[in-house]
Amino acid sequence: KAGVTQTPRYLIKTRGQQVTLSCSPISGHRSVSWYQQTPGQGLQFLFEYFSETQRNKGNFPGRFSGRQFSNSRSEMNVSTLELGDSALYLCASSPGDAQETQYFGPGTRLLVL
Amino acid sequence: GEDVEQSLFLSVREGDSSVINCTYTDSSSTYLYWYKQEPGAGLQLLTYIFSNMDMKQDQRLTVLLNKKDKHLSLRIADTQTGDSAIYFCAESRVNTDKLIFGTGTRLQVFP
Repeated sequence: KAGVTQTPRYLIKTRGQQVTLSCSPISGHRSVSWYQQTPGQGLQFLFEYFSETQRNKGNFPGRFSGRQFSNSRSEMNVSTLELGDSALYLCASSPGDAQETQYFGPGTRLLVL
Repeated sequence: GEDVEQSLFLSVREGDSSVINCTYTDSSSTYLYWYKQEPGAGLQLLTYIFSNMDMKQDQRLTVLLNKKDKHLSLRIADTQTGDSAIYFCAESRVNTDKLIFGTGTRLQVFP
């Protein structure tokens, strides 16, 4: 089985722009979670989607949003980018029916100038 | 709170055992995980333990869980230079896939 894939792998944007990141989960997995990793804050949970519905949400401003499609692929969007949004954005997938192990993708590294 | 704490650095000689420690705060945690992150890469799941277990062994890896003290450890036997990475412990809660991560421990293995 192919692992979790994320596109793009690297991205450079400027303040005020918006960005969309994509995540394709492992085949058969229905839950997708997103995390932000920064040197200062570490790994922080953004949100989780299951069957196209947001099931859980972290403490991030409304500029951060996401969605999940019927094929379980997920996108996250960040609007009005700030310098502090520079981070590694990681996506994880799991089967989602119960407490299941999450498998992570390689991440998208976003740099905001 | 949601803090999961780990020591920041660990340095060991190749061939020795490494022990990475983690403390968590929520007694309702269901699963506890260890992930490995190499430079520029995502998180690789190493092993996990269910909260009603106290030990799990998987080849060179041994996980010990002390629920009373909310303490988790990962022992790597015969540590190799390829084990050099950052190791994160994480806990999950009931009915959610949300993971609470520790701060990460940077393991450096020297010859």
